[in-house]
Amino acid sequence: AQKITQTQPGMFVQEKEAVTLDCTYDTSDPSYGLFWYKQPSSGEMIFLIYQGSYDQQNATEGRYSLNFQKARKSANLVISASQLGDSAMYFCAMREGLMDSSYKLIFGSGTRLLVRP
Amino acid sequence: DTGVSQDPRHKITKRGQNVTFRCDPISEHNRLYWYRQTLGQGPEFLTYFQNEAQLEKSRLLSDRFSAERPKGSFSTLEIQRTEQGDSAMYLCASSAPGQGSLWDYEQYFGPGTRLTVT
Repeated sequence: AQKITQTQPGMFVQEKEAVTLDCTYDTSDPSYGLFWYKQPSSGEMIFLIYQGSYDQQNATEGRYSLNFQKARKSANLVISASQLGDSAMYFCAMREGLMDSSYKLIFGSGTRLLVRP
Repeated sequence: DTGVSQDPRHKITKRGQNVTFRCDPISEHNRLYWYRQTLGQGPEFLTYFQNEAQLEKSRLLSDRFSAERPKGSFSTLEIQRTEQGDSAMYLCASSAPGQGSLWDYEQYFGPGTRLTVT
């Protein structure tokens, strides 16, 4: 069963507008973490934000915020005030805490975001 | 302060040849991971080391793949008798236990090695 689902292969957003990238996940582990990474064309994975399963508040990091809806098992990334440099692939990932001691990341298939000037 | 480095950045090889990639993690990071990313997909876990011990291998890691981490520092990933299906980006990541919560094990990724098998 696919554990991370990103249903938007590609998204467009106008510069300076906000955009939401969708992510749903599936796990039976009560302790898990959800991550978003940005991958520009250079290929390096850049960590953006994470949310722990027990965190009460949604995570925020600058222009990035994570809309965490635990009951719906969704962890959408919101990018506010989009910039041209935000054009990249975005990956949602999960790490299970109690059932997987390796803490390996499980990634979705990604969303390609293109910011229009 | 240097991040995770990988060498080479690009490798083109003919089918049937052996290739070896190197990853140098952030110093003092005790955990090291290898992932493979094919075109249009997210990275997939291959294997994981804690210090010099290889503690987990994915089913994706066929018998033609071998990874080592001697002395718990750098790691190598070797692919024997390469096949066209091995063409991918091979990513290395490292992490270290933090001071606080379980989620201090943030993984830092290297730039990757892009392998093309012709």
